[in-house]
Amino acid sequence: DAEITQSPRHKITETGRQVTLACHQTWNHNNMFWYRQDLGHGLRLIHYSYGVQDTNKGEVSDGYSVSRSNTEDLPLTLESAASSQTSVYFCASSESQITGELFFGEGSRLTVL
Amino acid sequence: KNEVEQSPQNLTAQEGEFITINCSYSVGISALHWLQQHPGGGIVSLFMLSSGKKKHGRLIATINIQEKHSSLHITASHPRDSAVYICAVFMDSNYQLIWGAGTKLIIKP
Repeated sequence: DAEITQSPRHKITETGRQVTLACHQTWNHNNMFWYRQDLGHGLRLIHYSYGVQDTNKGEVSDGYSVSRSNTEDLPLTLESAASSQTSVYFCASSESQITGELFFGEGSRLTVL
Repeated sequence: KNEVEQSPQNLTAQEGEFITINCSYSVGISALHWLQQHPGGGIVSLFMLSSGKKKHGRLIATINIQEKHSSLHITASHPRDSAVYICAVFMDSNYQLIWGAGTKLIIKP
């Protein structure tokens, strides 16, 4: 069965360190998204990609970067982790930009000390 | 003002009750999603609507484009329905998803 997986599921790191969260999907979807979820907020879009070599900033992109070298993967990098980036991160993919069902990974809980 | 408003924020009901969760939005949209997030975090897509009504098991979703409003109904609710239900709209102006804050539903046995 096709799926979308995130790793690591839990990570604790220190302020200033670089962290990469992996997202891998086997749906062959062109569209991939990274969200963060914090108490009191809905899901907030960090970065998204509509295909290989395409990346776009979302509403909370400062301090994050992504790259899309193939269809399956969209890794999210925190260049210099900050305590404000402690959150749960979700990766998602969809077949269609507008009408496609969204498929989510299980989430990655990141704590920055 | 948030572009997507869900109500209620929290809802506690007894098993068997008919549940309604509402989503109102203020922007032009191409589609609306309903999703479910169980304790422990996984998010699952329930419905994607652009008009009318959809039904899956005990779940029914409706949308009124003119009134900019959607409802998610659960019939014969069960404790396993306890979850956060999230509405998201796909804006037709910039092809972005705007997310509601979610409705936390607790069904007591």
